[in-house]
Amino acid sequence: GESVGLHLPTLSVQEGDNSIINCAYSNSASDYFIWYKQESGKGPQFIIDIRSNMDKRQGQRVTVLLNKTVKHLSLQIAATQPGDSAVYFCAETRPGGGADGLTFGKGTHLIIQP
Amino acid sequence: DAGITQSPRHKVTETGTPVTLRCHQTENHRYMYWYRQDPGHGLRLIHYSYGVKDTDKGEVSDGYSVSRSKTEDFLLTLESATSSQTSVYFCATTPGQGDSPLHFGNGTRLTVT
Repeated sequence: GESVGLHLPTLSVQEGDNSIINCAYSNSASDYFIWYKQESGKGPQFIIDIRSNMDKRQGQRVTVLLNKTVKHLSLQIAATQPGDSAVYFCAETRPGGGADGLTFGKGTHLIIQP
Repeated sequence: DAGITQSPRHKVTETGTPVTLRCHQTENHRYMYWYRQDPGHGLRLIHYSYGVKDTDKGEVSDGYSVSRSKTEDFLLTLESATSSQTSVYFCATTPGQGDSPLHFGNGTRLTVT
């Protein structure tokens, strides 16, 4: 399988519990943020996004919170399931950054315990 | 996702040999990207394309070249592979830029011995 999980922070949660994955972003001017999920041996998969004019956005079982004051982004996963095991990483886009204006975080490895 | 196919999925090659990785998309997205993923790093942009025959360099473009002769195909070439280019390479697409999420292929694992 893919070794992208090595050297990453790890979050271990019990199946059924809620998970909170955090991300500190670097550019206070960034205006668009994305969470991706990456399973072993696969490419990153879009989960949810949020623009800087919002503080919170909800999807199916996932919520993203944006705190621009401290440049912090979090992903909450409700009722975690075994299929949620993956590496999760955030990405930020600087305004007017164009195609090369996207910066990815290094990720957090989420492990679901039965 | 977004009908992105990367080939090959795995390749082992020797130092100094040329290597070409292929990305094919079926969504007619204008923008295509090549990233590499290494332990301890976030995804890093190698090159990108904003249309047929329109390409530009990313953060880690040294040692790589790209070509886009058709909307659906984006090729990444390592002219003379080095061990530092051992990595997992991902192709991605978007219909627009800056404010829409990337759609990724499933990657090519390249090992340079």
